[in-house]
Amino acid sequence: DAGVTQSPTHLIKTRGQHVTLRCSPISGHKSVSWYQQVLGQGPQFIFQYYEKEERGRGNFPDRFSARQFPNYSSELNVNALLLGDSALYLCASSLMGNSYITDTQYFGPGTRLTVL
Amino acid sequence: GEDVEQSLFLSVREGDSSVINCTYTDSSSTYLYWYKQEPGAGLQLLTYIFSNMDMKQDQRLTVLLNKKDKHLSLRIADTQTGDSAIYFCAEKDSARQLTFGSGTQLTVLP
Repeated sequence: DAGVTQSPTHLIKTRGQHVTLRCSPISGHKSVSWYQQVLGQGPQFIFQYYEKEERGRGNFPDRFSARQFPNYSSELNVNALLLGDSALYLCASSLMGNSYITDTQYFGPGTRLTVL
Repeated sequence: GEDVEQSLFLSVREGDSSVINCTYTDSSSTYLYWYKQEPGAGLQLLTYIFSNMDMKQDQRLTVLLNKKDKHLSLRIADTQTGDSAIYFCAEKDSARQLTFGSGTQLTVLP
């Protein structure tokens, strides 16, 4: 079975531009979460989606938005890019069942975003 | 808010045991996780422990949880050079969101 896939793997943008990152969850998983990992730090939670609805939002500005599609894939959008948005963006999927065990998150390889 | 802390670096000799420590502040934590990240890669789930357990063993990995002190540790037996990576501790709160520590860089010396 394929794991979580993300595209693109690397991206270079300039300040003020907009970016869209994509994620496909593990087959059968209905929840997708997005994290930002700045170099030298642990991942920071941005969003969680389940069945196309936002279930959680971290402490990020409104320039960050996301959505989940009927096939459970997801997009993360960032507008008006700043230098500080340079990071590894990680997507994680989970079954998001009633049990916390089925809620275990499995991560993709990430998209490395560089803002110049 | 929730906070998860880890020591930044650990260096061990090949064949020795490694112990990576983590402390957390959220008393409502339900599950605690250990993830491994190799250079340029995403996070690989290693193991997890439910908050009402105090120990879990999985092959070379042993997780110890002291809920009273909010202290979690990961012991890797017979550490190999392939175990060199960054190890992240994470706790899941009642909102089912993960809060990560800053990671511990494990270096295994030959």
